[in-house]
Amino acid sequence: NAGVMQNPRHLVRRRGQEARLRCSPVKGHSHVYWYRQLPEEGLKFMVYLQKENIIDESGMPKERFSAEFPKEGPSILRIQQVVRGDSAAYFCASSIQGPPTGELFFGEGSRLTVL
Amino acid sequence: GDSVTQMEGPVTLSEEAFLTINCTYTATGYPSLFWYVQYPGEGLQLLLKATKADDKGSNKGFEATYRKETTSFHLEKGSVQVSDSAVYFCALSGTGGFKTIFGAGTRLFVKA
Repeated sequence: NAGVMQNPRHLVRRRGQEARLRCSPVKGHSHVYWYRQLPEEGLKFMVYLQKENIIDESGMPKERFSAEFPKEGPSILRIQQVVRGDSAAYFCASSIQGPPTGELFFGEGSRLTVL
Repeated sequence: GDSVTQMEGPVTLSEEAFLTINCTYTATGYPSLFWYVQYPGEGLQLLLKATKADDKGSNKGFEATYRKETTSFHLEKGSVQVSDSAVYFCALSGTGGFKTIFGAGTRLFVKA
């Protein structure tokens, strides 16, 4: 299966710890997006990256959150000093073509629970 | 800013019933429009899309027509199956930013 791979699928952290979520896009896709889904809510855009560049981070909280997509390896979404409000499903998507018409291919998500 | 509004769920139908899920949007310019489906415990999958006015997207018996005059992209299916039970998201992209904007999602339950 050459789809978007996210890990871990489930992550439990205590308040104040760090959460690190990984995303390997579909092979050949150079556009990566991170979305957050709160329970019973839609997806909220967080950040759009191309290899080694952050293109749009308008949906990222200014503090504690960061994302990268290095030349080699997966994209990483990092949340420092987690709080209970960070509990959510985090979805990564990739596309071979950029906006506006690029179809997004989603991973199965990483579900973060903050105790 | 740009936004997508979907009808609230859940929608509960019997098998073989007709399905409509309403979606309207607000956007500057001419976005591309999408429907994605999310099955339990999974990520979203593209169901269909339309990139310009009057285009009809269709897939697996679902269809939606891009209506610029009413800024709508309603999802329809003539005869639903139990396996269609999922959450359906309407989305748009391409109005000057880089993000795809999603509606809140509509949960569909189909009873046998």
